[in-house]
Amino acid sequence: GNSVTQMEGPVTLSEEAFLTINCTYTATGYPSLFWYVQYPGEGLQLLLKATKADDKGSNKGFEATYRKETTSFHLEKGSVQVSDSAVYFCALGHSGGYQKVTFGTGTKLQVIP
Amino acid sequence: SQTIHQWPATLVQPVGSPLSLECTVEGTSNPNLYWYRQAAGRGLQLLFYSVGIGQISSEVPQNLSASRPQDRQFILSSKKLLLSDSGFYLCAWSLKQGTNEKLFFGSGTQLSVL
Repeated sequence: GNSVTQMEGPVTLSEEAFLTINCTYTATGYPSLFWYVQYPGEGLQLLLKATKADDKGSNKGFEATYRKETTSFHLEKGSVQVSDSAVYFCALGHSGGYQKVTFGTGTKLQVIP
Repeated sequence: SQTIHQWPATLVQPVGSPLSLECTVEGTSNPNLYWYRQAAGRGLQLLFYSVGIGQISSEVPQNLSASRPQDRQFILSSKKLLLSDSGFYLCAWSLKQGTNEKLFFGSGTQLSVL
């Protein structure tokens, strides 16, 4: 079956540091890959997505590249801000009448001034 | 524009009491609807999904049930809550077409069963 594995948190970084959150997946076929972000006390919202191999999703300074050869979709940002503090979820999705989305366990990021 | 409303935001219930969480979507028709649970220290678990009125599919056996009485209304219920039902419950919707349609989430309900 489908599964998503992401690095354990929490991750604590100083402002302006470089961020990498690792994500690897196991899936049949050709899933779409997503990063969702959950700010404190809120629901999840889509941060970025990639729909095929070698696609790069980007938004708000975050990037992730769909690597089929390594089955990875690592999230990166060159310079984090305090406002980036949140929980980040890697996910993969298939369409089969409904959106079959499998989520990772989430990685909590705390950025300190 | 589409919006999703979920309530209540927080709920504290005793063991054995009933539960009803409601979710409504505005600005779209015939969406797919979902209930997820996020337990402490764990990822999101899909509980139920619905592709239409009265059509409910359960992903995991449990103490909960779901109903979709109207096109844009999705209700999560329980007759008798268990301690293990505590968690953060999220309603979501998606369009039907495509393989890369994103999920739109509500703001969640924090349920504490004591």
